[in-house]
Amino acid sequence: GENVEQHPSTLSVQEGDSAVIKCTYSDSASNYFPWYKQELGKGPQLIIDIRSNVGEKKDQRIAVTLNKTAKHFSLHITETQPEDSAVYFCAATTLYNFNKFYFGSGTKLNVKP
Amino acid sequence: DSGVTQTPKHLITATGQRVTLRCSPRSGDLSVYWYQQSLDQGLQFLIQYYNGEERAKGNILERFSAQQFPDLHSELNLSSLELGDSALYFCASSVGDRVSGEKLFFGSGTQLSVL
Repeated sequence: GENVEQHPSTLSVQEGDSAVIKCTYSDSASNYFPWYKQELGKGPQLIIDIRSNVGEKKDQRIAVTLNKTAKHFSLHITETQPEDSAVYFCAATTLYNFNKFYFGSGTKLNVKP
Repeated sequence: DSGVTQTPKHLITATGQRVTLRCSPRSGDLSVYWYQQSLDQGLQFLIQYYNGEERAKGNILERFSAQQFPDLHSELNLSSLELGDSALYFCASSVGDRVSGEKLFFGSGTQLSVL
């Protein structure tokens, strides 16, 4: 099955700086890569996703890049704000096959004001 | 608000007992997933249902079972509970459409404490 590794496990940045979280996956059949943000006491919330036919996707201050050859994808958050503090999870799955999602172990991001 | 409703929010019980966690998916979603999140751990996939039928299974213990009913709500049954079963249990739903993809929408979770 798929194996998703996520780094770092914790990340502390100063407000206004950028944050980058990286994930690698093992199954070349995976073609859909979502990112979830989990705030304290809440369920994970989808913040951005990317399909394997796209190399990069942006949504305001967040962006995701995908390198299919190297089998890794990254989340980039620019101009971080204290409200970005949360746990972020990457995931990988194969669309069209109703496969289960494989989640990374999570990154706890702390944005210091 | 994701539109996915989980009840109860908190559950405290003793070892050896049995509990039922309930999930109502977003309106129109046919697929329901259950995940377990232990302290400082990631999301462990348990089981997936699509329109009443089991679609995929993860590392779900034999003491655990689930089902999805005709009205699409789902229940996760945990029996012979052990201390190690204490965790946050999430339900997620999706449209389940092969073409549009599998955007998961998570509920707020049920915090289970086994004492």
